[in-house]
Amino acid sequence: EVQLVESGGGLVQPGGSLRLSCAASGFTFRSYAMHWVRQAPGKGLEYVSAISSNGGGTFYANSVKGRFTISRDNSKNTLYLQMGSLRAEDMAVYYCARGGIVGTRSQGDYWGQGTLVTVSS
Amino acid sequence: DVVMTQSPLSLPVTLGQPASISCRSSQSLVYSDGNTFLNWFQQRPGQSPRRLIYEVSNRDSGVPDRFSGSGSGTDFTLKISRVEAEDVGVYYCLQGTHWPYTFGQGTKLEIK
Repeated sequence: EVQLVESGGGLVQPGGSLRLSCAASGFTFRSYAMHWVRQAPGKGLEYVSAISSNGGGTFYANSVKGRFTISRDNSKNTLYLQMGSLRAEDMAVYYCARGGIVGTRSQGDYWGQGTLVTVSS
Repeated sequence: DVVMTQSPLSLPVTLGQPASISCRSSQSLVYSDGNTFLNWFQQRPGQSPRRLIYEVSNRDSGVPDRFSGSGSGTDFTLKISRVEAEDVGVYYCLQGTHWPYTFGQGTKLEIK
């Protein structure tokens, strides 16, 4: 069974940093692209970042470019999102989602339960 | 960025009746390989999103056959043939052709 479990959310002050993790199991992690998607309280969904299966390709929404860094450790089956210079508008539930297997293009066939990031002083 | 526009944003439906949601993109979603990466997601209250449809019309495993997707180019539709109580939630279209991938605003389906 495919499982994605996010962790690392919490309360952080504006300008602060936080690292989110997503532990994957039930599939060959190293073969799949992975994505981060967020949802502000009571709002819609927004794609934040994506990374290719081998980590060689990374993509960011304009709203987080230069402040967030996506990475992965295929030996640990774990996806990361390093978040810096956090702003009030970054407050959201952050979901990791599975992308496509190598050579294919797919978005979000499996999602985690999400982790809440609260940005407040 | 590609703008995805859904309508309606609110959809009251009687149990057993059909429902339809439209999603229009600001540019063609046909990828260079000829595929069209238009997805539909359901988000039930308090839950993570769940993908229902990928590449316009392909149902994900376990998705009831009352859900169907259609369309091409810039104009897409999600149809529910007979709405059931468990279908209550917000439905989003997502384009995965152009980065950044973008969602529609969401359509809230409720039972009348």
